[in-house]
Amino acid sequence: AQSVTQLGSHVSVSEGALVLLRCNYSSSVPPYLFWYVQYPNQGLQLLLKYTSAATLVKGINGFEAEFKKSETSFHLTKPSAHMSDAAEYFCALRGGGFKTIFGAGTRLFVKA
Amino acid sequence: DGGITQSPKYLFRKEGQNVTLSCEQNLNHDAMYWYRQDPGQGLRLIYYSQIVNDFQKGDIAEGYSVSREKKESFPLTVTSAQKNPTAFYLCASREGHSGNTIYFGEGSWLTVV
Repeated sequence: AQSVTQLGSHVSVSEGALVLLRCNYSSSVPPYLFWYVQYPNQGLQLLLKYTSAATLVKGINGFEAEFKKSETSFHLTKPSAHMSDAAEYFCALRGGGFKTIFGAGTRLFVKA
Repeated sequence: DGGITQSPKYLFRKEGQNVTLSCEQNLNHDAMYWYRQDPGQGLRLIYYSQIVNDFQKGDIAEGYSVSREKKESFPLTVTSAQKNPTAFYLCASREGHSGNTIYFGEGSWLTVV
C-alpha cells in the first residue's frame, strides 16, 4: 500500500535558521513526490516535485528537497527561514489511478 | 491566466439546506477532485472524476453529491444528510494519465448557521 508520513505536526524555527520538514513514503512503484504549501484560508500551492529526474529538486521561495530511495524519504529544506515561510506544508505521493496521497501536514512557525 | 476557480469563497448554510459549491478549471485537465479540510487537519477526499460523466466516491462521500457534465466544471453539493458540513472545501484538477501534478483552487469556507 502507498502512504506518506510527515514527522512532526508542528515545527518551530527562528528567523534565519535552517528549515527541515520530514517526509517518508511507502510505494511499490517508482514514486512521484510533491511538496505543497498552504497559507491561511488559501488553497495548496505547489512548491516542488520529484519525477525521477534529478534527486535534488529545487522549488520556489528558496526551498529544495532531496529524494533518497534507500531511506524512502523526501525531506524539505530551506537554508534560512523567513517570517513569510510560516504556513502549513504537505508532502504528497502520486497514488494508483488518479489519486494523490497527502501527508497529514506540518505547520511551520517562524520566530523573530 | 489558467487556473481553478472556486466560488463562493464563503458560504453559510442553514440546517436542512442543500448548498452547491462551484469549481471551474480552464487547464484542460481530465481529472477533478473535491477535498474537505477541517481546521488543523489534513485533506480528505470526497469525490473525484477522471472524465466527463463519470465520478467515483472518495473516503468521505456520504452526505455529498457531484456531477461532471462538462470537462471544465465539477460542482459539489453538500446535502442536508451531511451532519457536520462546516469545513474548508478544496477543488483540484490534474491532467490525464500522463499528468502527475495536482493543482488546487483557492478553497471555499462553508459554515452552518
